[in-house]
Amino acid sequence: GNSVTQMEGPVTLSEEAFLTINCTYTATGYPSLFWYVQYPGEGLQLLLKATKADDKGSNKGFEATYRKETTSFHLEKGSVQVSDSAVYFCALSTNNNAGNMLTFGGGTRLMVKP
Amino acid sequence: DTAVSQTPKYLVTQMGNDKSIKCEQNLGHDTMYWYKQDSKKFLKIMFSYNNKELIINETVPNRFSPKSPDKAHLNLHINSLELGDSAVYFCASSQARSSYEQYFGPGTRLTVT
Repeated sequence: GNSVTQMEGPVTLSEEAFLTINCTYTATGYPSLFWYVQYPGEGLQLLLKATKADDKGSNKGFEATYRKETTSFHLEKGSVQVSDSAVYFCALSTNNNAGNMLTFGGGTRLMVKP
Repeated sequence: DTAVSQTPKYLVTQMGNDKSIKCEQNLGHDTMYWYKQDSKKFLKIMFSYNNKELIINETVPNRFSPKSPDKAHLNLHINSLELGDSAVYFCASSQARSSYEQYFGPGTRLTVT
């Protein structure tokens, strides 16, 4: 079956620090990969996606590259802000008769201090 | 306008009760979903619903039953609530069954005492 493993948090950084949140996956077929973000008290929002190997997803300064050889999709940002404090979820989707049901990792809480 | 809305936002109830959570999307999407997020923030799909076709996650107890009166609504009814049902439940929708991007509602925090 499909599974996603991401680094446990919390990750605590100072403003303007470099961020990496690791994500690896196991999947049958050729999955699409996603990062979702959940701000406090809110639902999940799609942050970025990549649908095939070597694709790079990017949004709001965040980037992640689909690495098929290492089955990874690590999230990076060069300079975090306090407003980036949230829980980040790595997820995959394989399209089948059930549609695109997402399989999520356990989430990584990011705390950015001024 | 809220794209995916859920009511109520908070629900506190006693074991053994039956309760419903409502979800509405105004995006014109064809497919809707229910997810459960436990106390450790772990998210798991419960159901997918597309054009009256329900896809059930086999690990979901049959006390949980989704009901879709129309394409814009997917409600979740829970019978005989148990302590372990306490969680945050998220509704989501996507444009079509094959669409990658899902839009999530704000969640309903269910507490069973």
